[in-house]
Amino acid sequence: ILNVEQSPQSLHVQEGDSTNFTCSFPSSNFYALHWYRWETAKSPEALFVMTLNGDEKKKGRISATLNTKEGYSYLYIKGSQPEDSATYLCASSSNTGKLIFGQGTTLQVKP
Amino acid sequence: DAGVIQSPRHEVTEMGQEVTLRCKPISGHDYLFWYRQTMMRGLELLIYFNNNVPIDDSGMPEDRFSAKMPNASFSTLKIQPSEPRDSAVYFCASKQGGWHEQYFGPGTRLTVT
Repeated sequence: ILNVEQSPQSLHVQEGDSTNFTCSFPSSNFYALHWYRWETAKSPEALFVMTLNGDEKKKGRISATLNTKEGYSYLYIKGSQPEDSATYLCASSSNTGKLIFGQGTTLQVKP
Repeated sequence: DAGVIQSPRHEVTEMGQEVTLRCKPISGHDYLFWYRQTMMRGLELLIYFNNNVPIDDSGMPEDRFSAKMPNASFSTLKIQPSEPRDSAVYFCASKQGGWHEQYFGPGTRLTVT
């Protein structure tokens, strides 16, 4: 994998559903994996930064895992709410801080 | 702290005109990044600075684009002459060396007609 790839591209769920997205990244020269939440007309907001294989981070109903050996990360949202509707971006960074972003997963939660 | 500040928030200009976008990073942050968001290419890095020095400008599309950082609290991204395909949202972000997290500004939505 040469680029950061995210799937699915978009997702529509009902309020209360749990969901997850995938981020694949180059495992060679890995330094850190970032998850951002991006609402329309706002700036991307950092959710998590993970560096170690096996890392798990949690913030409220949102959690993320990291596998650096195989080059993937999962973002989970438990009990989705309409306010979770946003685009979720992942990015891989080098030790210089340069971020390479995926195309994002756009989540729409219907009440 | 006010966060990363960008101006203007919206810019509409005619093809061929010069456009200057401005960014004030978070005080104390020594890295500054310029990104461009388009539907086709997503969020892509244009250039970044460390301690006011450009480190990597490989993402700058062409010679019409230039960026400067004259001091630790101010950076500009200039497009001259502008073209319709430059229409996008331009984000500035900053971070502190030794920390991973980048903080994004609100972006400048540029429309070139």
